[in-house]
Amino acid sequence: GENVEQHPSTLSVQEGDSAVIKCTYSDSASNYFPWYKQELGKRPQLIIDIRSNVGEKKDQRIAVTLNKTAKHFSLHITETQPEDSAVYFCAAYNQGGKLIFGQGTELSVKP
Amino acid sequence: NAGVTQTPKFQVLKTGQSMTLQCAQDMNHNSMYWYRQDPGMGLRLIYYSASEGTTDKGEVPNGYNVSRLNKREFSLRLESAAPSQTSVYFCASSEARKAGGNEQFFGPGTRLTVL
Repeated sequence: GENVEQHPSTLSVQEGDSAVIKCTYSDSASNYFPWYKQELGKRPQLIIDIRSNVGEKKDQRIAVTLNKTAKHFSLHITETQPEDSAVYFCAAYNQGGKLIFGQGTELSVKP
Repeated sequence: NAGVTQTPKFQVLKTGQSMTLQCAQDMNHNSMYWYRQDPGMGLRLIYYSASEGTTDKGEVPNGYNVSRLNKREFSLRLESAAPSQTSVYFCASSEARKAGGNEQFFGPGTRLTVL
C-alpha cells in the first residue's frame, strides 16, 4: 500500500525566512497531493494541492512542487509570518480511493 | 452552510463501553471518511464511504464499525472501547471525482478518552 514520509517533524524559522517541508510517497499510481494546515485544537484545512499532471503550483506565499520520477513533493512558504505557525500535513491519493497522510511537521515562526 | 459537523465534541468512556460518533455534512458530497489522529502519527484512515450504500476499510479498521445512514450522515461505532482507542477522531467529506482525489473538508473533531 501507499506510504508517505514527511520531513522534518519540527521546523523553526525566523519571521520573514522561508520554510520548506518535504514528502516522499511510494505508490507511483498516486495522482493527487494536497497539503493541510492544522492550528492547535482546530481541524485540518487545505492550503494548496497539486495533481500529477502539473510540476509546480503557487498561491501567493505558498508553492508546491512535484517530482513524479523521484516520487517526492515539497511545500514552500516564503516570507513566513507568526500566523503560519501550525502543523502541516502532506498527503497522497492513490487509485484505491484513499488519502494517505504524512506524519506532520510542526512549524514555528519566531517574531 | 454548516459544512461537516460532529457530535459529541468530547467523550470519556470506560474500557468495554460502546458508543457511536455521529457525523453529518450539508455539502451534498458523495464521499465521507473517518480518521483518527494520534501524536506523531498524522491522520490515519479508519473507514470510508465512496458513495451512499458503500463502505470500505481504511488503514486501521479493527475495533470499529461504520454506517452510511444516508448521503448526509456517516457514523462510527466502537463496540467495546479499549485504551488504545483514545484519540481525536475526525470525519471528512469530499466531492467524488472520476479519477483522482478532491479536497476533503473536515469536521471539528471528537476527543475521546478511554480509561
